[in-house]
Amino acid sequence: QSALTQPASVSGSPGQSITISCTGTSSDVGGYNFVSWYRQYPGKAPTLMIYDVSNRPSGISNRFSGSKSGNTASLTISGLQAEDEADYYCTSYTSSVPYVFGPGTKVTVL
Amino acid sequence: EVQLLESGGGLVQPGGSLRLSCAASGFSFSTFAMSWVRQAPGKGLEWVSAVSGGGSTTYYADSVKGRFTISRDNSKNTVSLQMDSLRAEDTAVYYCAKKSGSGHYNLDYWGQGALVTVSS
Repeated sequence: QSALTQPASVSGSPGQSITISCTGTSSDVGGYNFVSWYRQYPGKAPTLMIYDVSNRPSGISNRFSGSKSGNTASLTISGLQAEDEADYYCTSYTSSVPYVFGPGTKVTVL
Repeated sequence: EVQLLESGGGLVQPGGSLRLSCAASGFSFSTFAMSWVRQAPGKGLEWVSAVSGGGSTTYYADSVKGRFTISRDNSKNTVSLQMDSLRAEDTAVYYCAKKSGSGHYNLDYWGQGALVTVSS
């Protein structure tokens, strides 16, 4: 059950776009279209932002988008806003267990 | 409105046991698989365990396999996590989470979490 890899931190100025990567293997990210992304504010429960690689749940801003190429999935936040400052986690279905999480990426709005 | 409310957290000594419960409402409970996800202080999210809607299929992370047991009572809309042989590294906030519909693998609703502290 190897964890996925994410950059520890990503930053950007208001209005800019940033992209967070999530790298796995052919047994998880690369093998299934079941990558999802969660946002977590300090002290709060996570919120689902993207599911099935590129789908947004109802109520999630279209500034959030997801994609995948090979064993790497990506979350892009466009038009960065102060409220986007949070931790972001990717997760994927795997061949052995339903979920494996990435270590999380801290997004800072400069 | 979907609601998930965890209970049962607290302080326990190493080697001890604790049982977490999650009361669910606002959806057809038996239709959906449920998971527990934990977060150690200052650390990231770690998936712990999952149980199918009917309760017959369970999954565990290697880190808890053989020590934790997940179960559900669909008559009471609750899912539980029995934690035995607890270690200091099990200290974390434990979240109960609902899996979205069939054919998807994501957790669309989360509880607010229950803190488990393993310390002497």
